[in-house]
Amino acid sequence: DVKVTQSSRYLVKRTGEKVFLECVQDMDHENMFWYRQDPGLGLRLIYFSYDVKMKEKGDIPEGYSVSREKKERFSLILESASTNQTSMYLCASSLWGGASWSGYTFGSGTRLTVV
Amino acid sequence: SQQGEEDPQALSIQEGENATMNCSYKTSINNLQWYRQNSGRGLVHLILIRSNEREKHSGRLRVTLDTSKKSSSLLITASRAADTASYFCATDSQGGSEKLVFGKGTKLTVNP
Repeated sequence: DVKVTQSSRYLVKRTGEKVFLECVQDMDHENMFWYRQDPGLGLRLIYFSYDVKMKEKGDIPEGYSVSREKKERFSLILESASTNQTSMYLCASSLWGGASWSGYTFGSGTRLTVV
Repeated sequence: SQQGEEDPQALSIQEGENATMNCSYKTSINNLQWYRQNSGRGLVHLILIRSNEREKHSGRLRVTLDTSKKSSSLLITASRAADTASYFCATDSQGGSEKLVFGKGTKLTVNP
């Protein structure tokens, strides 16, 4: 089974801190994604990557950056954490597929609280 | 850019009953997928239906797709307490994008 592992389940950080959320997948997937999930707003795409060193902005990239130095690892960076970035962060990966595409595999999520 | 919208937002049923959740979307798609999320966890892929398919089954799950109405439904038959979760539909956009856009989900509670 494909596994997507997020480094922390729960994280508490202070306002202004630089925060790194790590995501690792073990099945050689090309695509990796970062979403945040908030009550009443559903899942919103922050950034995604189709290949190493490649990144594209999603719907809400402001305040975030990403890094993909190796195919299996996709990091989300909060440059200066703010309280409105308190959220559940979900990482996902998928094969590059087209018609044979079978969807995303998600990690278990990181619940980040910024105080 | 919200694509899928699930209906109802919340559903409460008794064990053994069937649960039906609906999803509507706005633009043409290549495929539509349903995911399940247990409380506080990541999403799990349940089933994918392609735009040229009308119905698909997987165990107790039945998914229909009506591209003329831009809508899909997920039916869970003979529900169990363990089916309690939130269910999300997700769509790509026609044109080959690998990105999925998720709806806000239906929260299903199955009472024992």
